[in-house]
Amino acid sequence: AQSVSQHNHHVILSEAASLELGCNYSYGGTVNLFWYVQYPGQHLQLLLKYFSGDPLVKGIKGFEAEFIKSKFSFNLRKPSVQWSDTAEYFCAVTQGSGNTGKLIFGQGTTLQVKP
Amino acid sequence: EADIYQTPRYLVIGTGKKITLECSQTMGHDKMYWYQQDPGMELHLIHYSYGVNSTEKGDLSSESTVSRIRTEHFPLTLESARPSHTSQYLCASQGGGSQHNEQFFGPGTRLTVL
Repeated sequence: AQSVSQHNHHVILSEAASLELGCNYSYGGTVNLFWYVQYPGQHLQLLLKYFSGDPLVKGIKGFEAEFIKSKFSFNLRKPSVQWSDTAEYFCAVTQGSGNTGKLIFGQGTTLQVKP
Repeated sequence: EADIYQTPRYLVIGTGKKITLECSQTMGHDKMYWYQQDPGMELHLIHYSYGVNSTEKGDLSSESTVSRIRTEHFPLTLESARPSHTSQYLCASQGGGSQHNEQFFGPGTRLTVL
């Protein structure tokens, strides 16, 4: 079965530090890739997505992610984090064929940014 | 304002009770989903619907049932709640004809069964 793995469960950074959160998936075919974020007390919301084209995807709030097909990876990056980036981050995948829209999520990474 | 709503936000009940978790969206989306999330774990799809009168079970087996009588409403029911049902339940909807479209999530219902 398809699975998504996020390597870092809990990350603590100081403001202005660089961030990279790992995400790997197991499906070998065409995939659509997503990063969702959940700020404290708020709904899950989309940060960025990739489905085709340029493998470097830019999202909201200065986040970006790079799809590396050979590594089955879709790591999330931000050059300089802010205290307001404190949140839980989820990587998710849908299979490319069909139109099911069914998301498979990783277990999430809790990011804590110290002011 | 277009949004997705879930009620109640928090629910503590005793074993054996029947409960219904409500989910409504005002975006006119055809696709709706229910996910279950235990603390520190990934979200698992338990039910989905592609339109009125369409419901399917998700990847994670669940004793809950769902119905989709109206486009905007996708309630989830547990006939007899047990402590193993304690979890967070997230509802989501998705519009358009492409799986590239994002899913919009509700705030979740945190259920505790004593």
